[in-house]
Amino acid sequence: GAVVSQHPSRVICKSGTSVKIECRSLDFQATTMFWYRQFPKQSLMLMATSNEGSKATYEQGVEKDKFLINHASLTLSTLTVTSAHPEDSSFYICSARDGQGPDTQYFGPGTRLTVL
Amino acid sequence: GNSVTQMEGPVTLSEEAFLTINCTYTATGYPSLFWYVQYPGEGLQLLLKATKADDKGSNKGFEATYRKETTSFHLEKGSVQVSDSAVYFCALSPARGDKIIFGKGTRLHILP
Repeated sequence: GAVVSQHPSRVICKSGTSVKIECRSLDFQATTMFWYRQFPKQSLMLMATSNEGSKATYEQGVEKDKFLINHASLTLSTLTVTSAHPEDSSFYICSARDGQGPDTQYFGPGTRLTVL
Repeated sequence: GNSVTQMEGPVTLSEEAFLTINCTYTATGYPSLFWYVQYPGEGLQLLLKATKADDKGSNKGFEATYRKETTSFHLEKGSVQVSDSAVYFCALSPARGDKIIFGKGTRLHILP
């Protein structure tokens, strides 16, 4: 089946630094990618929808200047957490939609971000 | 708006017991409905889905039927195994290709 990878799987950074997370679709072209955030023992919260070649659409309450999303190609989307703070520590998950296939979303394994 | 409500966990069962995890939804129009599973230390996996009323999704012995009249999509399995221990998320997509809205998840523990 379709595979979505994320890199890194874990990252620890100091407060005030920026962190970039990559999401790749390995064997299909993803016209749309989604970024979610999952707090411990809670559900996934959609942060933004990313369409290749255009600006991301952010959900209400998500700061677009803090969570920068770039979807530069059909197989890669990046999420940059700028000036990270401890409250940004979370599990970030991306998903990718196969535009040519059965219209299923495939999820990445997630990235655990810890901000000290 | 669109939302998903599923039963609170954790749910603890003995092996070979019958499982039901309740899920109800609120949506405008005709959403697609999903169950996703997250095994310990792994990413989300699609377990099953249904795209229209009265459809039944099934996979790995799990089943769920899209009930429009009760706005429900309950997950069932006749005989659970220890390997089914995971977190199960009920979800909906308001339209084809649209974002997915998740319930809070139900943690399932199966005892040997």
